[in-house]
Amino acid sequence: DVKVTQSSRYLVKRTGEKVFLECVQDMDHENMFWYRQDPGLGLRLIYFSYDVKMKEKGDIPEGYSVSREKKERFSLILESASTNQTSMYLCASNVGQAYNSPLHFGNGTRLTVT
Amino acid sequence: EDQVTQSPEALRLQEGESSSLNCSYTVSGLRGLFWYRQDPGKGPEFLFTLYSAGEEKEKERLKATLTKKESFLHITAPKPEDSATYLCAVQATPKSGYALNFGKGTSLLVTP
Repeated sequence: DVKVTQSSRYLVKRTGEKVFLECVQDMDHENMFWYRQDPGLGLRLIYFSYDVKMKEKGDIPEGYSVSREKKERFSLILESASTNQTSMYLCASNVGQAYNSPLHFGNGTRLTVT
Repeated sequence: EDQVTQSPEALRLQEGESSSLNCSYTVSGLRGLFWYRQDPGKGPEFLFTLYSAGEEKEKERLKATLTKKESFLHITAPKPEDSATYLCAVQATPKSGYALNFGKGTSLLVTP
């Protein structure tokens, strides 16, 4: 089974802090994604990556950046955390160059910014 | 712009009471429609992929169907353990490549 591991289940950070959310997958998937999930808004795509050192903006990239130095690892960075970034963050991966490939999700990181 | 709308937002069923969840979509060229189950505090878990109108897939008490404009997730004789949020997603938007565009989900509660 595909395993997507997010390093923290819960994080509490202060406004203005730089925050790193880490994600590792063990199935050699080319594509990796970061979504945030909020009540009433559903899942929204922040950034995605098709290969090492490549990144593409999703629908809501403002206030975020990403890093992919190794194929299995995809990091989401909040440069200066704000309270409106309090959310559940979900990492996912799937097979590259293939449509109809389901996303496999981690269990999420619930981030609270105070 | 691609849109995915799920209804109802919430559904409460008695154990054994069959029903259906709806996912309607507006996309420019559907490549796949996906159903996920999400339990509280966990990430979405993949259930089905449907590729073309008329296709059906089944898993235990769940059956997913697809038309050109919508998909249904039929739940037959549900049990309390089927309680979860069910998410529908489409893969279609070229700019997002292989990412999925999700609906807001249907929260299902099955009571004994």
